[in-house]
Amino acid sequence: SQTIHQWPATLVQPVGSPLSLECTVEGTSNPNLYWYRQAAGRGLQLLFYSVGIGQISSEVPQNLSASRPQDRQFILSSKKLLLSDSGFYLCAWSTGQGDTEAFFGQGTRLTVV
Amino acid sequence: GESVGLHLPTLSVQEGDNSIINCAYSNSASDYFIWYKQESGKGPQFIIDIRSNMDKRQGQRVTVLLNKTVKHLSLQIAATQPGDSAVYFCAEKGGTYKYIFGTGTRLKVLA
Repeated sequence: SQTIHQWPATLVQPVGSPLSLECTVEGTSNPNLYWYRQAAGRGLQLLFYSVGIGQISSEVPQNLSASRPQDRQFILSSKKLLLSDSGFYLCAWSTGQGDTEAFFGQGTRLTVV
Repeated sequence: GESVGLHLPTLSVQEGDNSIINCAYSNSASDYFIWYKQESGKGPQFIIDIRSNMDKRQGQRVTVLLNKTVKHLSLQIAATQPGDSAVYFCAEKGGTYKYIFGTGTRLKVLA
């Protein structure tokens, strides 16, 4: 069966520090991968998605970047965090075929202080 | 469009009653719709989906209704239980790889 792993679960980082959040998927090949952000008490904002290795589509221009160095690995990064980068970051995957649901990881709670 | 910067509306329902959660989607070209349940501090979990060639789909205690004319989606939960307390999101997808989420509704089940 397929599983998605996201880490760390919580992270407290100072303003101006770098960020690296990692997400990996097991049990499937060539998934579509997604990073979403959720502010407290709010909806899900799509940040990036990827349909293949090295292919990244950015939805919202901001202080973040994403990379997909391997088929089932998706990384969210920042060179210098801002206070406004605080939030709940969710990685998700879906199959690359047809209309199916997206499966979410358990999320990373990032607090920038 | 994107559900950004909007606070979650809340629906309070007595335990045992039926719940109806509504969602207005944005893109008339969307042809696949999903309802997710998100418990506090966790990632969203799939509940039920529906394709645009259907107007109703039933699962266990849940029913999704789709009205394409007015771009409206609803989730009905029968005999609501305390474990149903969560935030519910609809998502749409159509012709692209992107899942676009609605604003979400917080469901509170009253004992």
